[in-house]
Amino acid sequence: AQKVTQAQTEISVVEKEDVTLDCVYETRDTTYYLFWYKQPPSGELVFLIRRNSFDEQNEISGRYSWNFQKSTSSFNFTITASQVVDSAVYFCALSEARVKGGGSNYKLTFGKGTLLTVNP
Amino acid sequence: ETGVTQSPTHLIKTRGQQVTLRCSSQSGHNTVSWYQQALGQGPQFIFQYYREEENGRGNFPPRFSGLQFPNYSSELNVNALELDDSALYLCASSSGRRDSGNTIYFGEGSWLTVV
Repeated sequence: AQKVTQAQTEISVVEKEDVTLDCVYETRDTTYYLFWYKQPPSGELVFLIRRNSFDEQNEISGRYSWNFQKSTSSFNFTITASQVVDSAVYFCALSEARVKGGGSNYKLTFGKGTLLTVNP
Repeated sequence: ETGVTQSPTHLIKTRGQQVTLRCSSQSGHNTVSWYQQALGQGPQFIFQYYREEENGRGNFPPRFSGLQFPNYSSELNVNALELDDSALYLCASSSGRRDSGNTIYFGEGSWLTVV
């Protein structure tokens, strides 16, 4: 079975601090995808990044960076110089390819999320 | 904006009633999934539709059912509502193509309260 653990329930930082959100996953699949989504109070899940299991290169996008380590089954997310607008719930998710049918149809298994509050 | 739209945004129903939630997928996306997100939890996969057929189902009872239409829009129906069905219901669409990058886009959700 697939499982995603986000051990940090809530994190509170002061603006401009760096913050790392942890994500640990479990899967028996050799091919899988990892995602991070941001959920503001409005409820919409905003896509941030997708990483496939064969690509362990770290990625940086502006103030966001992701550290994928297959050896420890972790996919951590760092926000550099946090801003108040970064306040939201962040979800890590894992996709599996167990659904039948054509194409690349995957379902997502989510962690419980980390509530990040950035204070001015 | 993801191009995934859901309606209604908020609704209140009484226990035992039935509800229908609607989703329009992003243009060109033929795969729609539905997720239930209870307060303080991560979204849970309900089921997925690909080209108008159910293409996978999570651990939800049969009173949760769905449809996908030829234009790839979708409905989620829940019968015999229970208090625990109170949640945010999220629709997600993807292209279902292997070269799509497998990115899954979500709508803003429908907040359902069962009283």
